[in-house]
Amino acid sequence: GDSVTQMEGPVTLSEEAFLTINCTYTATGYPSLFWYVQYPGEGLQLLLKATKADDKGSNKGFEATYRKETTSFHLEKGSVQVSDSAVYFCALSDTGGFKTIFGAGTRLFVKA
Amino acid sequence: DTAVSQTPKYLVTQMGNDKSIKCEQNLGHDTMYWYKQDSKKFLKIMFSYNNKELIINETVPNRFSPKSPDKAHLNLHINSLELGDSAVYFCASSQDGGSGGVRETQYFGPGTRLLVL
Repeated sequence: GDSVTQMEGPVTLSEEAFLTINCTYTATGYPSLFWYVQYPGEGLQLLLKATKADDKGSNKGFEATYRKETTSFHLEKGSVQVSDSAVYFCALSDTGGFKTIFGAGTRLFVKA
Repeated sequence: DTAVSQTPKYLVTQMGNDKSIKCEQNLGHDTMYWYKQDSKKFLKIMFSYNNKELIINETVPNRFSPKSPDKAHLNLHINSLELGDSAVYFCASSQDGGSGGVRETQYFGPGTRLLVL
């Protein structure tokens, strides 16, 4: 079945450091790929998404490129801020189903 | 305006009790979900409804019963609560992409923190 694997956390960075959170997936169809972010005490919210191969999603300085050849959708940000501290979820939504598959989440801590 | 709302936000109760969590969305979406998030932040889908019809029912104990009175509401009733039911429960909604499946963004409520003592 479809699945999403993302790097285990927690990830601890200093402010202004470069961030990469790896995400790979397996899917039988042509999924849409998402990154969601969950700030402390809140629900998940969409950070960015890509719906087809080679699409790049971007928002708030975060980027991720849909790589079909490597089945990956790694999240990157050039310079993190303390306010980016949160849990990040990679997810896929496949055609023909009514289910979004979430990764296990990666907790990010950014120190001032 | 809150897009997806849940009540209550916190719920503390004794083992064996029955409780309900309510969810409402004002986005006009066709599909609604219930997720359970454990203490390690792992998110597990429990149920999904599309136009008031149950379409996903994962391996959830039958003590959990969802009810969708209309497209905008999906409530979760839990009978005979157990310690292991302690978690954060999230409601979410999305608009069917029209292809017969979900390819669209999910909008989450703020969560209901359930603690069973």
